[in-house]
Amino acid sequence: EVRLLESGGGVVKPGGSLRLSCAASTLSFSDYAMSWVRQAPGKGLEWVAAISAGGEGIYYANSVKGRFTISRDNSKNTVYLQVSGLRVEDTAVYYCAKDQEYLDSWGQGTPVTVSS
Amino acid sequence: YVLTQPPSVSVAPGQTAKITCGGHNIETKSVHWYQQRPGQAPVLVVYDDTNRPSGIPERFSGSNSGNTATLTVSRVQSGDEADYYCQVWDNNIDHVIFGGGTKLTVL
Repeated sequence: EVRLLESGGGVVKPGGSLRLSCAASTLSFSDYAMSWVRQAPGKGLEWVAAISAGGEGIYYANSVKGRFTISRDNSKNTVYLQVSGLRVEDTAVYYCAKDQEYLDSWGQGTPVTVSS
Repeated sequence: YVLTQPPSVSVAPGQTAKITCGGHNIETKSVHWYQQRPGQAPVLVVYDDTNRPSGIPERFSGSNSGNTATLTVSRVQSGDEADYYCQVWDNNIDHVIFGGGTKLTVL
């Protein structure tokens, strides 16, 4: 079983930035695509971005395209989400999840609050 | 691509709950289901329409036909009370699509 641990969340003003990290406890991290999914308070799940195993395939939801950047460092078993140009509506718990077509392991999430 | 789920489903303990997920020609896609208990991260309970990950009870099963996919929870227990989400990968636009979620209440 893969364990995923997110970090980097916090409180930020509109227009601000954060870098979210997700560390995976698996020796085969470079074999898997990785995804980020968010959940606003009291709302459903919203897919944010995905990156292929080797990093060459990158996909974004329309709501974050141009503001968020997903990347990975396979030598560190870590996937990142750079969130910039933050808006109040980006307030959510951000989860990383293993794979892409279906998400078979999830972290516990890191909260991001955008507020003035 | 839009996935439509009923907001809520209620069932008595020991009965069977059916949670639907509607989408245009959804039978041509692989549908996956997640359970999210309050305050917890989602957990995959069914993948590729009908398959269960290891550790998921046989009481959870899935089907997919026509324009509707269905998650069936048999012999419902109080611990099954949670939000359930269906999901597909839309390979036309390379996006993950989630349904709006269904709250399962055990009466």
